[in-house]
This record gives sequence, structure tokens and C-alpha cells, in this order.
Amino acid sequence: ETGVTQTPRHLVMGMTNKKSLKCEQHLGHNAMYWYKQSAKKPLELMFVYNFKEQTENNSVPSRFSPECPNSSHLFLHLHTLQPEDSALYLCASSPGRGGREQYFGPGTRLTVT
Amino acid sequence: GIQVEQSPPDLILQEGANSTLRCNFSDSVNNLQWFHQNPWGQLINLFYIPSGTKQNGRLSATTVATERYSLLYISSSQTTDSGVYFCAVSGGSYIPTFGRGTSLIVHP
Repeated sequence: ETGVTQTPRHLVMGMTNKKSLKCEQHLGHNAMYWYKQSAKKPLELMFVYNFKEQTENNSVPSRFSPECPNSSHLFLHLHTLQPEDSALYLCASSPGRGGREQYFGPGTRLTVT
Repeated sequence: GIQVEQSPPDLILQEGANSTLRCNFSDSVNNLQWFHQNPWGQLINLFYIPSGTKQNGRLSATTVATERYSLLYISSSQTTDSGVYFCAVSGGSYIPTFGRGTSLIVHP
């Protein structure tokens, strides 16, 4: 238990569906991150939020839409995804954008059919 | 951005063996972490070590920031040590960058 939870743990969706991934951290951190991990590839940073403000968007397609209503919650809204978007999506938090230690949630394994 | 290289990419050990994993990075860093990713995908924090040496049980890590590398030592390996070990760094931009990982299999 790292103090970061993610739901759902598994998700299968069609290319025309709309779904959302949720991340919640109970560590009192101020920065939250979304990563994508595809098979046989390193973790790719997607978005960074610091004090609810987006500070990084790593050239992510607009079919991925993040939302950070407060420092404890982070969402990733998904729409019209492609099969190549199938991956493990990991959420992390840290005390601040300056990094220090990141703590990861268990991930959502997404399959796009 | 900072480039991170980990070696070896794959490692197979017998239970009880020792091993050293390496992480090289291309620029000065403010943060460096080692993680273990278990077979279920969970990334587990091992060390936060931008410089110096730390030990935790059978694991220890050393970062020589001036020479831009970090080492993770695993002693008396166990089957539960199997998984992928990642090094992650960030520098002045504070953007975390992960290496490609070392995949470790420990046989009983």
C-alpha cells in the first residue's frame, strides 16, 4: 500500500467509448502525474499537475484529457481511443513538482478493442 | 532532456546470488529513485538517492552524482526479487525520466 489508489484496475473499452480513470492520493502531496507504460517500452510521462495546475503535457494526443480538481485527485478522461493506446496507466504523486520521492498507484490496465 | 541508460537489460540468477544493476545519466540530477516493478505492475519504492549510499536489508544503492551513475546492489537474491528494476531521475526541469529497466529473474 503506497497511499496512492487507482480505479478501475482493469478496463476494456471500444474505440467509440468514453471512460475515465481515477487516481487518489492520501499522502498530502502537491504534485500528481500520469504515466503510460506500453509493453516492452519505458514509462512515458504524460501529464504533471502541481497544486492543481498542469505544468507538463508531454505532447499527449487530445483523446486523453486530464483533470485535477484538487491536490488529492487526478482523472484521465478517455475518448475515441485507438488499439495502440492499450497499456498500463500509472498515477504517481510527490511532495512537489521538484520531485523528491514519487509514489505510484497500482495502475489501470487498459485494453482498447 | 536527460538520457537514462540502465544495464544490464536482462539478468538471470540463481537464488542466493548477488548482483549489481547500473544506471547512467547524461546530466546533473536533483532527484534519483530506484523502483522495483512486481509482476502485477506495481512500482515499489526502493531508494531515493540523488547522492551517497543507502542500505535497506539485502539491498543497497550508491549514487556518484559527479560521475553521473548509480548502482543498485542485491545480495542473497530471492525469487521474490524477480521483476523489473527502474531508475528514474530528474534535473533542473524537474521532469522525471525513467530508464528502460533491468528485468531480473531469480530461479529457485
